[in-house]
This record gives sequence, C-alpha cells and structure tokens, in this order.
Amino acid sequence: GAVVSQHPSRVICKSGTSVKIECRSLDFQATTMFWYRQFPKQSLMLMATSNEGSKATYEQGVEKDKFLINHASLTLSTLTVTSAHPEDSSFYICSASGGATGNTEAFFGQGTRLTVV
Amino acid sequence: AQSVAQPEDQVNVAEGNPLTVKCTYSVSGNPYLFWYVQYPNRGLQFLLKYITGDNLVKGSYGFEAEFNKSQTSFHLKKPSALVSDSALYFCAVRDEGGATNKLIFGTGTLLAVQP
Repeated sequence: GAVVSQHPSRVICKSGTSVKIECRSLDFQATTMFWYRQFPKQSLMLMATSNEGSKATYEQGVEKDKFLINHASLTLSTLTVTSAHPEDSSFYICSASGGATGNTEAFFGQGTRLTVV
Repeated sequence: AQSVAQPEDQVNVAEGNPLTVKCTYSVSGNPYLFWYVQYPNRGLQFLLKYITGDNLVKGSYGFEAEFNKSQTSFHLKKPSALVSDSALYFCAVRDEGGATNKLIFGTGTLLAVQP
C-alpha cells in the first residue's frame, strides 16, 4: 500500500511553545489529508480536512487558531499546535488519500505522541 | 448521518481459535466500509475494505470480513488467531456527505489473544 510518513513520532515541549508535526505522502500525491486526535483508549477524532492549495476545513469545536494546518504541496501537510498547554497532550495521526491510490481509502501516518509539560 | 458501531470494547480469544470482531453500520446510501488495526503508539494500518462485489472480503494478515446488507454488519474474522494479532481494531465507514475519503470510525475493539 501507499506510504505516509509522520514526523516526529514523539515530542515533548514546554507549555506556551509551538510544535509542528509533518505528514508526508512518500509514493503518491495526496490531494486530501486528514488530521486526527486520539485520546487514550478512545477512537480517532477528526480535527480537520485539508486539500492541497486551499484552507483546511475544521470540525466543530476545533480551534482554527490553535491548530494551524498547512497543505502547501501534494506530498506535505503540517499541523502546528500553537501555544501548547498540557491539555493538548495527545496522540495526533494524519492520513492521506489521492493519486494512484484512488479515492476509496486513506493511508495513515505512524502518529505523533505530543506531551506538553 | 453515517455511523458505525463496535459493540464490544474487548474480545478475548485463545491462540489458534477463530476470532470475530463485530461492526454494524448505518448509512443512507451504499456503504464503503473499512477495517484498520492499530498497534500501541502507532498509526492505523489498513486491513481491508468493502466497496462493492463479493460480500466476503479478504485482507491482510489472513483477516477477512463479511458484508451483510440485511443485518447491516461488517464483522471482521480470522480462522485461527495469533498472539501477534493482539491490537486495537477499528471499523470505519466513508462519509458520504463530506470530503472524499473522510472516514467515520467506530470506538474500537481491543483484541487480546492469549497463548
């Protein structure tokens, strides 16, 4: 299957700082990327959908100014958690679809464990 | 609105026995259904999907799922469980009203295979 790489896999940051997470599609062009947040022992919560070259669409309740999403190219999307606080600590996962994979499935990155201290 | 339900938080099975992880769905049109597996601190790995065609779908690692329209179910199955199958399994349905490939996930089922 298609490969999606997410970096970093783990990050610890101080409260008040910003953290950037990258999501790359390595062998296909991702017209759409999705960002999810997962709390311990819970399902994935979709945060936003981004299409290359346009603004992201955020789900209800997700703060746009806090979770900045950029999808500047067909192989890269970034999520920046701004002014992070301990309650932002979570597991963040991206997924990508498009290109040769068709439009019926999405492939997921390995996830990023964010800890804000 | 589309949704999927996984009625079991956890499924326990002995190694070598058959396993079933249950999923039911609710959609207004034709369902596009998926199963993913997640190992600790990892992203999701695609197992299989049902779009159209045969009701029995075969996927990765020996897993299969049966699409049952009358029961609106898409249960994941494997004839003989392995300890390495122990993980968190998610059923998902593609959102018909939103962006292409936007998935709606179930709550997940933790599969524990005992040696």
